[in-house]
Amino acid sequence: AQKITQTQPGMFVQEKEAVTLDCTYDTSDPSYGLFWYKQPSSGEMIFLIYQGSYDQQNATEGRYSLNFQKARKSANLVISASQLGDSAMYFCAGASGGSNYKLTFGKGTLLTVNP
Amino acid sequence: GAGVSQSPSNKVTEKGKDVELRCDPISGHTALYWYRQSLGQGLEFLIYFQGNSAPDKSGLPSDRFSAERTGGSVSTLTIQRTQQEDSAVYLCASSYRTASGSPLHFGNGTRLTVT
Repeated sequence: AQKITQTQPGMFVQEKEAVTLDCTYDTSDPSYGLFWYKQPSSGEMIFLIYQGSYDQQNATEGRYSLNFQKARKSANLVISASQLGDSAMYFCAGASGGSNYKLTFGKGTLLTVNP
Repeated sequence: GAGVSQSPSNKVTEKGKDVELRCDPISGHTALYWYRQSLGQGLEFLIYFQGNSAPDKSGLPSDRFSAERTGGSVSTLTIQRTQQEDSAVYLCASSYRTASGSPLHFGNGTRLTVT
């Protein structure tokens, strides 16, 4: 089983600046995947980015990138050029065993982008 | 195309009543999941369906909870004799496959309030 830890209950960032949201994981399984989801106040869960344990390079999707450090068991989300619409809850989630059901979610980080 | 559809979006029920929550997954997605999101517990896995395989019910909190998926498509989550601790947002998700890297696409959820 995975354990996902997000240590930042809340983060603030100025519009147009970059921000890093922390996520650490704990699993003994050599095959695992890490996901980031965004949940705006409307409640929908929006998939942002995925990193597999065997992926050689850090994942990137537009303004989102994943700073994956296996030795530290961290998978931090970096959002570049923050926009007001980025204000939301962000969840890190992990799946292990080569399957992606039974996602284990962290407690989330509430990001507020200031104008 | 259309996303995951859940109904109702909100449900208020009296303690002891039964409720049914419906999920219509994305067309072509063979995997379907139910999660529960509550303030105290965060996001919890409830149940997983994959094609015609037996569902993984390991996350269901009690025998008052059950779910079925008819024809490999629509799913219904049933809670019998509801209790106040059942109050939460129930999220349904679907994915194309369950190999790592196939993201879960979530619906907007059903907010259940038990009075």
